[in-house]
Amino acid sequence: EPEVTQTPSHQVTQMGQEVILRCVPISNHLYFYWYRQILGQKVEFLVSFYNNEISEKSEIFDDQFSVERPDGSNFTLKIRSTKLEDSAMYFCASSLRTGETEAFFGQGTRLTVV
Amino acid sequence: GESVGLHLPTLSVQEGDNSIINCAYSNSASDYFIWYKQESGKGPQFIIDIRSNMDKRQGQRVTVLLNKTVKHLSLQIAATQPGDSAVYFCAEKKGGGNKLTFGTGTQLKVEL
Repeated sequence: EPEVTQTPSHQVTQMGQEVILRCVPISNHLYFYWYRQILGQKVEFLVSFYNNEISEKSEIFDDQFSVERPDGSNFTLKIRSTKLEDSAMYFCASSLRTGETEAFFGQGTRLTVV
Repeated sequence: GESVGLHLPTLSVQEGDNSIINCAYSNSASDYFIWYKQESGKGPQFIIDIRSNMDKRQGQRVTVLLNKTVKHLSLQIAATQPGDSAVYFCAEKKGGGNKLTFGTGTQLKVEL
């Protein structure tokens, strides 16, 4: 069964450092997303991406964040200068069509900023 | 502002019993309401959705009920199994967009 895969599973970084979280969405999907989940809290939307453009972003997704689809398979989230409050589980997701209620989530990358 | 929230943080049920997980929402403009399940160490997994113009939808062992009068959503799981143990999130979505707004989650524990 096709699945969304994320690497690494756990990333520890020092405050102020740049991190890149990587995702391989399901191959025929066209819409890609990043969500985050601070420990014990709800899953929060960060950004959606389609046709090599950001289609929607939340207030959380400020200038420190960027997304990119560098090739035909990878989808990345970059945090330019990490802060302690960026520590969270980051989930990549993808869907086949716009307006889908079913997004397929990866297993997540746990980011710890120290 | 919009918000989707859950009544209870933890629900414990006996194996074989039916489970009912509840959710309150405040954004009447949402077009879809969705239930996701998150098992330990995994990402959220879609269970079932319901359009805002419906009040009931059934899937395999699950039923979602929508009461727009009191802005209440529930997920019923029949014959709960140990594999149903997870955190359940309700979420909402506006038509035409892709952003999911999640609630805070209910931990379902199935006791043998």
